[in-house]
Amino acid sequence: AQSVTQLDSQVPVFEEAPVELRCNYSSSVSVYLFWYVQYPNQGLQLLLKYLSGSTLVKGINGFEAEFNKSQTSFHLRKPSVHISDTAEYFCAVRLDSNYQLIWGAGTKLIIKP
Amino acid sequence: GAVVSQHPSWVICKSGTSVKIECRSLDFQATTMFWYRQFPKQSLMLMATSNEGSKATYEQGVEKDKFLINHASLTLSTLTVTSAHPEDSSFYICSARGKAGEDDTGELFFGEGSRLTVL
Repeated sequence: AQSVTQLDSQVPVFEEAPVELRCNYSSSVSVYLFWYVQYPNQGLQLLLKYLSGSTLVKGINGFEAEFNKSQTSFHLRKPSVHISDTAEYFCAVRLDSNYQLIWGAGTKLIIKP
Repeated sequence: GAVVSQHPSWVICKSGTSVKIECRSLDFQATTMFWYRQFPKQSLMLMATSNEGSKATYEQGVEKDKFLINHASLTLSTLTVTSAHPEDSSFYICSARGKAGEDDTGELFFGEGSRLTVL
């Protein structure tokens, strides 16, 4: 069965420091990978996605992620975080065969001033 | 990107009453809509998938008679929580999928969410 694991439930980091949010998945078939951000009391907004091609994907707000097929990972990174990046980040996997998403449990990014 | 709007964003109701939440795709036709429930500090739990003009497909453990889903048009899906009880209090989020031109990446567009509090 397919699954998505976000290894950290919370990641505290100082403002302007770099951050990496980890995501691993398990699947025996081709997948598409997504990162979504959820600000407090709001819906989800797509940060970036990997469908095919270059394994380094750039998204909005300065975030990027790298697809590593051998390690089945899709870690999210940002070189310098801002207080406005405080939010919950969800990694999701979509199987090639359908449009349902399998979600990770989420990682809360806490920016310390 | 495409816009999905949910209404209401907040709703408080008495136990035993029914509440309807609307999900609209504003600038595209949503062939498929998904309804999620999110408990505090948890991820999204898929409740059901609805395709326009057909009955919704519910996930295991979700009561179809309690959570009525209607997808009567390509731009509107509704979730009705019938005879709501305090344990139904949650954050409900819809998402929609539609063709994005010729390149259908299947990207989902999310509504802002609706917070239901049942007293």
